[in-house]
Formats: sequence, structure tokens, C-alpha cells
Amino acid sequence: EAGVAQSPRYKIIEKRQSVAFWCNPISGHATLYWYQQILGQGPKLLIQFQNNGVVDDSQLPKDRFSAERLKGVDSTLKIQPAKLEDSAVYLCATAGGGETQYFGPGTRLLVL
Amino acid sequence: QKEVEQNSGPLSVPEGAIASLNCTYSDRGSQSFFWYRQYSGKSPELIMFIYSNGDKEDGRFTAQLNKASQYVSLLIRDSQPSDSATYLCAVNTFYNQGGKLIFGQGTELSVKP
Repeated sequence: EAGVAQSPRYKIIEKRQSVAFWCNPISGHATLYWYQQILGQGPKLLIQFQNNGVVDDSQLPKDRFSAERLKGVDSTLKIQPAKLEDSAVYLCATAGGGETQYFGPGTRLLVL
Repeated sequence: QKEVEQNSGPLSVPEGAIASLNCTYSDRGSQSFFWYRQYSGKSPELIMFIYSNGDKEDGRFTAQLNKASQYVSLLIRDSQPSDSATYLCAVNTFYNQGGKLIFGQGTELSVKP
């Protein structure tokens, strides 16, 4: 069974630029999460989807972050414009009905 | 008060010893508790989860839960250098319905040969 796929793996941008991350979940997994992990901290949930609907986006900075999950499968997370403090690893995780979340390899973002 | 608190470490133990990792949480409504391992530069991987008070064993790993004290721990017996990683405690308020994981900041474990 293929795992959660994410791309790109690394991204370097300048502040005020925009960036997008992509996630492809494990086949059949209805729940998809985007986390932000700043160096030295645990992952922080940004947004949770159930199929293509948003369940929780209470910690998503909506003035600059947006996410969508078209057709309830792949998802994209966008930052526009990026700030220095957005430098982090962005993790996508999916779950197939139980509570166990499976994480993708993450995208490392550096904002200069 | 942070929702999920862990000592950041680093915790250093000799090879073969027992490593004890601790976690406290603030939400008394929390129903399920997870331990993830994260190697440097990698994503978190699930070690085990626990729902009920008491101990749950899986190989060299034992999770312990005390809901009255809002405390969960992970014991690693016969620690190996390959166990050196950051261990993340995560708490979920929704029992067996998916839901939102709140992570602690992680404890860095170093197992010395």
C-alpha cells in the first residue's frame, strides 16, 4: 500500500512570495490533515478535511493560508504572501476511519 | 498552560537501560493518547496508542495512562541506539471518530552505546 505522498520536498522562497504544497493521501482515506511543524516544536494542526469538506480550520491563518481538497482526494495548501515565520515543515497526514494518522514525508519550507 | 506538555530533553540513557518519557495534558475530556517517534529530518511514525487507564505493552514499548492525574508515559525497555529520536505525545478528544490531535513539543531521546 502506497503511503502519503507530498511534493515538493523542499522549497526556498523570499518573503512576500507565494508557495503551494501538494498532498496525495493513502487510497481510500477520507480524512486529511495539514500540520505545520516549526523546528523544535510538535506538529500543529492547520486544517482538517473529511472528504472534500472542512472539519476544522480554527488554527489556519486565513489572511495568508488557504487549502482545498477537490474531489475528496488530493489536497493543496497555499501561502500567499509568505512571511519569515512561515519557515517550517508542512506535514500532510491521512486517516482511514480510525484514529491512526499516517504522515507523509513533509515539505520543508524556508522563507528568506 | 500548554495543552500537552513534555520535557524537551534531551534525555540520555545508556544502551540496554529503560527510557521513561512523560507527558501531561490539560483537557480532562481527552479520550485517546498516542506516542509517535520522529527521527531527525523525517516525519512522525506511530509507535502505539492507549485509551484505557493502566498499561499497554507492545514489544519493548509500554504505554501507561492515568486519566485521574492526566498523565501518560512511554517506557522503552532494553534501549538501543536506533531508538535515538524525538518522541511526540499526542492527545485526541474524540474517541474512535478521527478528530484532532494535539501534540506536545516532543522529548529528544539519546541512547548511548
